Amino acid sequence: QSVLTQPPSVSGTPGQRVTISCAGSTSNVGNNYVYWFRQLPGTAPKLLIYTNNQRPSGVPDRFSGSKSDTSASLAISGLRPDDEAHYYCASWDDSLSAVLFGGGTKLTVL
Amino acid sequence: EVKVVESGGGLVQPGESLRLSCAASGLTFNTYWMHWVRQVPGGGLEWVSRITSDGGDTKYADSVKGRFTISRDNAKNMLYLQMNSLRADDTAVYYCAVNWGMVPGTWGQGTLVTVSS
Repeated sequence: QSVLTQPPSVSGTPGQRVTISCAGSTSNVGNNYVYWFRQLPGTAPKLLIYTNNQRPSGVPDRFSGSKSDTSASLAISGLRPDDEAHYYCASWDDSLSAVLFGGGTKLTVL
Repeated sequence: EVKVVESGGGLVQPGESLRLSCAASGLTFNTYWMHWVRQVPGGGLEWVSRITSDGGDTKYADSVKGRFTISRDNAKNMLYLQMNSLRADDTAVYYCAVNWGMVPGTWGQGTLVTVSS
């Protein structure tokens, strides 16, 4: 069971805005940066957001991240059919001295 | 372009050993921490291990501590994962990744390890 808690699934229609939450604790999200990854079927995860709210080069500004206390969120605006994927949050945990991943959220574009 | 390519996966029996390799290119390898992450087919991501740029410090997930060993050869731009006493629940796709901040950032395509009798 993941220490970072994400909803198993979210859905939206094209053009909508959806958010995916990631709940942790003071030893991880509360005191460390949060990162977000997207994984398309059959491919490796790709970094989407780093240090809570920064986008790597090439990631469109439709994707945004935020963090408050021990929770973080990924927002996707202007939803597109090819946004269908699994999304994972991650953070370092000071108590475990380990990287933690959330359980993953499957985004369905209806 | 940063690229990492894993190799060494395959089918092994419970209790056996396997060594995974990861070839890195497009970066100054000896300045980057590196990670191994695994994913059960159809499942979520599980961080396995991390090594510092000079190999002087390593961290492991509790699930593999004492059985797996991460190492690197900076002269060859190679990362390794020695896996001993393999169990059925070690079956997964194993990814090598370059560190970004404190987490895996740039990932390879993975290599499948199947532990079964």
